[in-house]
Amino acid sequence: GAVVSQHPSRVICKSGTSVKIECRSLDFQATTMFWYRQFPKQSLMLMATSNEGSKATYEQGVEKDKFLINHASLTLSTLTVTSAHPEDSSFYICSATGYVSGQPQHFGDGTRLSIL
Amino acid sequence: DQQVKQNSPSLSVQEGRISILNCDYTNSMFDYFLWYKKYPAEGPTFLISISSIKDKNEDGRFTVFLNKSAKHLSLHIVPSQPGDSAVYFCAASDAGTYKYIFGTGTRLKVLA
Repeated sequence: GAVVSQHPSRVICKSGTSVKIECRSLDFQATTMFWYRQFPKQSLMLMATSNEGSKATYEQGVEKDKFLINHASLTLSTLTVTSAHPEDSSFYICSATGYVSGQPQHFGDGTRLSIL
Repeated sequence: DQQVKQNSPSLSVQEGRISILNCDYTNSMFDYFLWYKKYPAEGPTFLISISSIKDKNEDGRFTVFLNKSAKHLSLHIVPSQPGDSAVYFCAASDAGTYKYIFGTGTRLKVLA
C-alpha cells in the first residue's frame, strides 16, 4: 500500500523551457504533498508543502514564481519549473501523506531534471 | 544550520555483521524520527520509525534506538545483507509541524 507515482522520471530540455512534474498518490488520499530537491551528495531539501485545495507553503529561499505548485485533488500535485535554467538541474522528489503530522511520508521515485 | 546530522557519509560492513548508522539532532522539540532507505534514481523508502516516548523500536533485522538526552538515534541492521547497500537518511519532525528535516545520508555498502 501507500504508492506514490511521480512522472516523468527524467527530463532533458533546453534553457527557457517550462517543465511540469506530476505526483500522484495511487491508493490513498493525500491531504498533504511535499516537494523536495536533492543536490548530489546532499540531503533532501524541502521546497514546499501543498495541501489539497489551498496555496502551497514555500520554504525560505524558494522562489514561488519559479516553482509553481498545484494540488488540485487529493491524489495529484504538480510542480512546474518555469523558464528553467541550467542551475535548476537537480533531482526533484515528491512525497505524500494522508495525515497532517507524525506519520511517514511516502515518496515518489523522483524526477531527474537536466537543463541544457 | 543543519538540525539533523549524519556525520558518517559512508560505511562498509561485511555481510552477516552488524551495520550501525548514526544520526544526531539539535532541536529538542523533535519527537518523531524515521529512517529511509534510498537506491540510486529512486525515491526514499520508509524503513522504520520511533517516537520520543520510546527508546527502541524493532522490525525484523532493523532496530532503531533513541537517546533523547544525547539527541542521538541509531539504526542497527543485523545481519547485514548485500541488498541493504543503499543510502540511509534519518529524518525528524515535531508534533507541531508536518515537516520532516532530513540528514545528509550515509551510504552503506555491505560486502559479500
